[in-house]
Amino acid sequence: DSGVTQTPKHLITATGQRVTLRCSPRSGDLSVYWYQQSLDQGLQFLIQYYNGEERAKGNILERFSAQQFPDLHSELNLSSLELGDSALYFCASRREGRNTGELFFGEGSRLTVL
Amino acid sequence: QQQVKQSPQSLIVQKGGISIINCAYENTAFDYFPWYQQFPGKGPALLIAIRPDVSEKKEGRFTISFNKSAKQFSLHIMDSQPGDSATYFCAASEYFGNEKLTFGTGTRLTIIP
Repeated sequence: DSGVTQTPKHLITATGQRVTLRCSPRSGDLSVYWYQQSLDQGLQFLIQYYNGEERAKGNILERFSAQQFPDLHSELNLSSLELGDSALYFCASRREGRNTGELFFGEGSRLTVL
Repeated sequence: QQQVKQSPQSLIVQKGGISIINCAYENTAFDYFPWYQQFPGKGPALLIAIRPDVSEKKEGRFTISFNKSAKQFSLHIMDSQPGDSATYFCAASEYFGNEKLTFGTGTRLTIIP
């Protein structure tokens, strides 16, 4: 158990809809990262938050947004969903200060868009 | 775009054999090279990592070999076991100033009896 909690584990929705994925980082970790994992593209970095502020942005679509709340949990919002958004979405957290690069991943949220 | 190229996409190795997965990168600012292991239904977990000031790092049956001049690094799994069957991802990041990891596309390793 990595200590990172993601909900929901599975989500099935229709095109055009909006969903919210939730992540609780490990206790004490200030950084939260979101990654998208699809069959053909591996793990793609979406966005990183540190202590409530956006720190780095990757290949995140404009239809997607995220935020980190004062209690450090994070939400990834996906809107106007398309079939191609079907993927596993992982949240990871890291403890600042050690800069080891080690990320602790949750078990992911599997999104299926029909 | 920063990339890490990983091969092979899938690998079948007999129990007791050596599994070898290779990665190559282009960004010379990369300064930290971890390998992550992912089992079905689970998130990736750090397996072993190396900084470019050493050419090899060994932890148990797992070894990273690093060739800075060729911008390549590889994972060797000695005495491969069925429990090693998983997907392996290489990754890279700039150690200072850029904390996001760029992942390879993954290698699905299957160890057969």
